[in-house]
Amino acid sequence: AQSVTQPDIHITVSEGASLELRCNYSYGATPYLFWYVQSPGQGLQLLLKYFSGDTLVQGIKGFEAEFKRSQSSFNLRKPSVHWSDAAEYFCAVGDRSNSGYALNFGKGTSLLVTP
Amino acid sequence: NAGVTQTPKFQVLKTGQSMTLQCAQDMNHNSMYWYRQDPGMGLRLIYYSASEGTTDKGEVPNGYNVSRLNKREFSLRLESAAPSQTSVYFCASSGGRVETQYFGPGTRLLVL
Repeated sequence: AQSVTQPDIHITVSEGASLELRCNYSYGATPYLFWYVQSPGQGLQLLLKYFSGDTLVQGIKGFEAEFKRSQSSFNLRKPSVHWSDAAEYFCAVGDRSNSGYALNFGKGTSLLVTP
Repeated sequence: NAGVTQTPKFQVLKTGQSMTLQCAQDMNHNSMYWYRQDPGMGLRLIYYSASEGTTDKGEVPNGYNVSRLNKREFSLRLESAAPSQTSVYFCASSGGRVETQYFGPGTRLLVL
């Protein structure tokens, strides 16, 4: 069955430290992938996406993610975290090989940033 | 551009009451979606509309109905609300199937 796993439910980092949020998926050969961020009480904002081409994608707010097909992963990174990055982060995956419209979302990783 | 808008922002219902959640997008998107978000569950697709005139069930459709009123608007109806439908509901839209989905701000629903 198709699935998306975000292994870390909560992550705490110090302001200025680097960040990596993990996302693993179990999908067909042609996934398309997203990272969304959700601030408390808000909707989901797109950070970045991968459809094809260069496997290292740049997003907004200084985030980047790397698609590694061999590891079925799409990890999100940021070199220096700011206090305003505290939020919930969701990885989402779709499959281009079938006719479905659904995105499969991970359960989210909650990021806490300490001074 | 307003993007995706949802009304109402908050709603409290009693068990058995009905209500309709409204969603509209101004991006000329073909496809629209309704998700629910529950703590620790991520987002789960309730229904989607691939294009005007079509609707299909998602992962958790029981207890809900939808209407694609026109290209802009996609409503979600709870005919007889149950406490298990207490959730945050998000509407989203996209240009097509393999395209980015853009989300509205959400409707917070409490069913007592």
